[in-house]
Amino acid sequence: QKEVEQNSGPLSVPEGAIASLNCTYSDRGSQSFFWYRQYSGKSPELIMSIYSNGDKEDGRFTAQLNKASQYVSLLIRDSQPSDSATYLCAVDTGRRALTFGSGTRLQVQP
Amino acid sequence: GAGVSQSPRYKVAKRGQDVALRCDPISGHVSLFWYQQALGQGPEFLTYFQNEAQLDKSGLPSDRFFAERPEGSVSTLKIQRTQQEDSAVYLCASSNLDEQFFGPGTRLTVL
Repeated sequence: QKEVEQNSGPLSVPEGAIASLNCTYSDRGSQSFFWYRQYSGKSPELIMSIYSNGDKEDGRFTAQLNKASQYVSLLIRDSQPSDSATYLCAVDTGRRALTFGSGTRLQVQP
Repeated sequence: GAGVSQSPRYKVAKRGQDVALRCDPISGHVSLFWYQQALGQGPEFLTYFQNEAQLDKSGLPSDRFFAERPEGSVSTLKIQRTQQEDSAVYLCASSNLDEQFFGPGTRLTVL
């Protein structure tokens, strides 16, 4: 079992819809959780960090964390074609090094 | 200031050659990380520095991989006797607290 699991997708949503991206992790001691966006051929770009249970909102993005269920999600409201990318979930288990999932590819259809 | 920079952006090496990849972190960032990303996968941790101290090198895949950060700023990742399986994108990230910011990466192709 991988330490950080994501559905590889592609997840296809129409423009204007809500995209929901999910991630589960195996290390119960994990404290810090991050979502990165990666366009094809580019490096990962940090879009959200979350450290405590509940929701954290930043513009069109909402990160949700449930430590009891070992589950992190990212919601993108009013999805735009420019949101089409691979979204990487990353977890810090306390070592400072990030453990990444394989990413979910999101396609927003105009 | 400027973000993380890496050079070269692309490197082609013949099998058996040594390569050196450079990372210039965000000014003032204490922590520096190296990751390796294979096609279609998430980045995988290689090594971590806090200032000039290499605190974790557990992800380095073999003793052919070596990293240094002698003055606590610029870091170099060296790969000796490159093999085809070393072909990947090598990403550097820097951090001051918890959030890590990535450079553009170096795409290494070993022929």
